[in-house]
Amino acid sequence: GQNIDQPTEMTATEGAIVQINCTYQTSGFNGLFWYQQHAGEAPTFLSYNVLDGLEEKGRFSSFLSRSKGYSYLLLKELQMKDSASYLCAVRDSYSGGYNKLIFGAGTRLAVHP
Amino acid sequence: GAVVSQHPSWVICKSGTSVKIECRSLDFQATTMFWYRQFPKQSLMLMATSNEGSKATYEQGVEKDKFLINHASLTLSTLTVTSAHPEDSSFYICSARPGQGYEQFFGPGTRLTVL
Repeated sequence: GQNIDQPTEMTATEGAIVQINCTYQTSGFNGLFWYQQHAGEAPTFLSYNVLDGLEEKGRFSSFLSRSKGYSYLLLKELQMKDSASYLCAVRDSYSGGYNKLIFGAGTRLAVHP
Repeated sequence: GAVVSQHPSWVICKSGTSVKIECRSLDFQATTMFWYRQFPKQSLMLMATSNEGSKATYEQGVEKDKFLINHASLTLSTLTVTSAHPEDSSFYICSARPGQGYEQFFGPGTRLTVL
């Protein structure tokens, strides 16, 4: 079956660093995405990992280990505006002419002053 | 670039009526568009995938006769919720993918409330 797990909620302090973990068990794998979603809004793209290792993009970094079925999103120098849900999504293998995304339930991050 | 719009942004309707939601890619051509549903504090669940000019592919458990999808052009897909009931109340989000790229661009979502 398809299963993507991430913590439901996390809290952190402004200026700090937070790591959001994601583990997955899917029938296929063709990359892993992280999205940010503010309440009532559409998800916005943060990162994409298809090979093992760390991808850094400004204050955000994402890590992938395919052998462990594990990824994390690292947010540095937290700002109040980073309070949002963070969605981990696995891109399924190519099937039927397209790749579909399988989303985790999301991690709600609350950043406090 | 890569902007996707949805219309309407919210809609309230009576039980038994049909509601149409539009998804448009404004500055690129989308070979494939995806429709998702999201209940409060839950994940995005893929409902169906539509390719321009062909029938949509529905996920298991999604009624194709209830959720009609039409991908009429490379910039427009529509989702029609037929004979809506209160349990269909949800946040409906579309996404569009240009060509064979890996990234999907999401629309702002449509909040449907069925009374």
